[in-house]
Amino acid sequence: DILMTQSPSSLSASVGDRVTITCRASQGISNSLAWFQQKPGKVPNLLISGASTLQSGVPSRFSGSGSGTEFTLTISSLQPEDVAIYYCQKYNSVPLTFGGGTKVEIK
Amino acid sequence: EVHLVESGGAVVQPGGSLRLSCAASGFTFDDYSMHWVRQAPGKGLEWVSLMIGDGSTAYYADSVKGRFISSRDNIDNSLFLRINSLRPEDTGLYYCAKGSSTSTWLIDHWGQGTLVTVSS
Repeated sequence: DILMTQSPSSLSASVGDRVTITCRASQGISNSLAWFQQKPGKVPNLLISGASTLQSGVPSRFSGSGSGTEFTLTISSLQPEDVAIYYCQKYNSVPLTFGGGTKVEIK
Repeated sequence: EVHLVESGGAVVQPGGSLRLSCAASGFTFDDYSMHWVRQAPGKGLEWVSLMIGDGSTAYYADSVKGRFISSRDNIDNSLFLRINSLRPEDTGLYYCAKGSSTSTWLIDHWGQGTLVTVSS
C-alpha cells in the first residue's frame, strides 16, 4: 500500500506569514491528492482536489501544487481562522490513505 | 444542500457488534459513492470503507477487512456500517462522507460523526 507522509507534524507561525506543508507519497499517484482542513472540534472540510484545484468558497490564500510523489499546501498569508489540522489524502485507488496531519497554530 | 446524519454509535464491550447508519439528503443518493472514515480520540483520520453508488461493490481498509460490512439502501437514501468483533482500537468518531461528482474516490462532504466506544 502507498504511504502518505506529511511534514512538519506541527508548526507555529505569525499572522501574515507564508506557511508551507508537504505531503509525500511512497509511490506516484499522479495528481490524485486532496487537502482537508479540520478546525478544532469541527468536521473536516475539503480545500483542494486534484492537487491544485481550489474548492468553491475556499479563500484564495490557500493553494496546492505537486504531482507524482511530492505535494505542497501553501497558505500565502496565515490568518487566525486558519488554525486547524491539515490532512492530505490520496485518492487514485483504494486504500484511500490520509497523511498523519499537520497542526497549524498562531505564534 | 448536502446533509449527512450518522447514528448508532454506542459504548460496546470488546467482541461486540454495532450497526451504524447514515441518513443522506440534498443530492441524488444512488449517483454517488459513499465512504466511512473514522478518527480515534485525539488522532488523525483513517479511511474505513467505500461503497459504490449502485451498491454493487465495497472496498475496505486492511485494518477492518473481514469485520466491517458496508451496505446501502438507495430507496431510503441510507448508508450502513455493520461492525463485528469490536476491538478497543475501533474506538472513535465514525464519519459518513459523500463521494464527489468528479471522482468516486474523492470525498467532498462529511457528516458530523457518531461515537463508538469499545470498552469493558
